[in-house]
Amino acid sequence: GAVVSQHPSRVICKSGTSVKIECRSLDFQATTMFWYRQFPKQSLMLMATSNEGSKATYEQGVEKDKFLINHASLTLSTLTVTSAHPEDSSFYICSAQQPGQGSEQYFGPGTRLTVT
Amino acid sequence: KQEVTQIPAALSVPEGENLVLNCSFTDSAIYNLQWFRQDPGKGLTSLLLIQSSQREQTSGRLNASLDKSSGRSTLYIAASQPGDSATYLCAVNNAGNMLTFGGGTRLMVKP
Repeated sequence: GAVVSQHPSRVICKSGTSVKIECRSLDFQATTMFWYRQFPKQSLMLMATSNEGSKATYEQGVEKDKFLINHASLTLSTLTVTSAHPEDSSFYICSAQQPGQGSEQYFGPGTRLTVT
Repeated sequence: KQEVTQIPAALSVPEGENLVLNCSFTDSAIYNLQWFRQDPGKGLTSLLLIQSSQREQTSGRLNASLDKSSGRSTLYIAASQPGDSATYLCAVNNAGNMLTFGGGTRLMVKP
C-alpha cells in the first residue's frame, strides 16, 4: 500500500514558540491531504483539508491563523502550529489521498506535540 | 452533517472468542467505509475498505460488512488473540472526500 510519513514523530516545545510538522506521500502524488487532531482517548477530528496549490479549507472552530497549512507540492504538506500553548498539545495525524472521488486515504504515523 | 457512532465503546473478551464491533452512520450517501486499528500512541492502520457498492470485505480473521441503506457496518473478528487488543475505528467517506470517524471501540483480549 501507499506510504505516508510524518516528521517529527514527537516534539516538545515551549509555550509561545511555533512548530512545523511535515507530511509526505512517499510513493504517490497526493492532490489532497488532510490534517487531523486527536486528544487522549478521543477519536480523530478533521482540522483542515489541504489541496495542492490552493488555500486550505478549515473546519469550523479551527483557527486558520494559528494552524498554518501549506501544500506546496503533490507530495508534501506542512502544518505549522504558531504561538503554541499547552492546550495545543495533542496527537496530529495527516492523511494523503490520490486523485479521484472516494479514493482511499493513507495515514501518516502521527506527531505527538507537547507544549510546556 | 454525518455522525458516526461505534458501539460498544469498550470491550473485554477472553482469548479465542469471536466478536462483533458495530458502526452506524446517519447519512447513507457515502463513497466508502473504512475500518482502522490504532495502537496506543500510534497512527492508524487500515484494516478493510468497503466501497459503497460492496456488501463485505474479508482479510484473514477479519470480515467487515456494510448495509448502506440502514447506515450500518460491522467488523467481525474471529478467534480473537491478545495481539488484537487495540482501538478500532470506523470512518465513512462522504462527498468532498472527507472522512468522519466514530468514537472507536477499545478492545482488550485477555490471554
